[in-house]
Amino acid sequence: QKEVEQDPGPLSVPEGAIVSLNCTYSNSAFQYFMWYRQYSRKGPELLMYTYSSGNKEDGRFTAQVDKSSKYISLFIRDSQPSDSATYLCASRGRDDKIIFGKGTRLHILP
Amino acid sequence: DAGVIQSPRHEVTEMGQEVTLRCKPISGHNSLFWYRQTMMRGLELLIYFNNNVPIDDSGMPEDRFSAKMPNASFSTLKIQPSEPRDSAVYFCASSTGRNQPQHFGDGTRLSIL
Repeated sequence: QKEVEQDPGPLSVPEGAIVSLNCTYSNSAFQYFMWYRQYSRKGPELLMYTYSSGNKEDGRFTAQVDKSSKYISLFIRDSQPSDSATYLCASRGRDDKIIFGKGTRLHILP
Repeated sequence: DAGVIQSPRHEVTEMGQEVTLRCKPISGHNSLFWYRQTMMRGLELLIYFNNNVPIDDSGMPEDRFSAKMPNASFSTLKIQPSEPRDSAVYFCASSTGRNQPQHFGDGTRLSIL
């Protein structure tokens, strides 16, 4: 079992809809959780960075962590065509090594 | 500000050839990471440098892979001899510390025929 898993998609939603992207992880030692956005033929860029359980909001983006169920979510409100990308979730444990999921491809339809 | 710069952007070469990928981290960043991304395995850490010293190379797949960081502004990842299964996108990232946000370059798309 890979330590961080996410559905590869693609996920297609109409512009303006709320997008929900999800991830599960297996290592209970993970303490830090991240979401990266990767456009085609570009490197990943950090979107959200959270520690432990709870919610963190940044503009249209909300990251949610539930450590009891080992579940990570990213919500995008008022989705835009420019949000079309691959979204990678990632976790980091006490050894500081970041483990990435394989990514979910998101398409926002205008 | 210049981000992480990688070269070449694309490399196509024949099996058995030596391949050298290059990276210039963001000025002032003392941590540098090399990753490999494939559809099958996703993004995997190959090696991590701190202050130009290799700290964790447990992700380097085989002895055919080697990485160096001769100074704070330059790193190379070398594959010799290359094999078709090495085909992937190779990313370099840098940060101000191992547990700080990493900034990625745009990668080198490597195809080994």
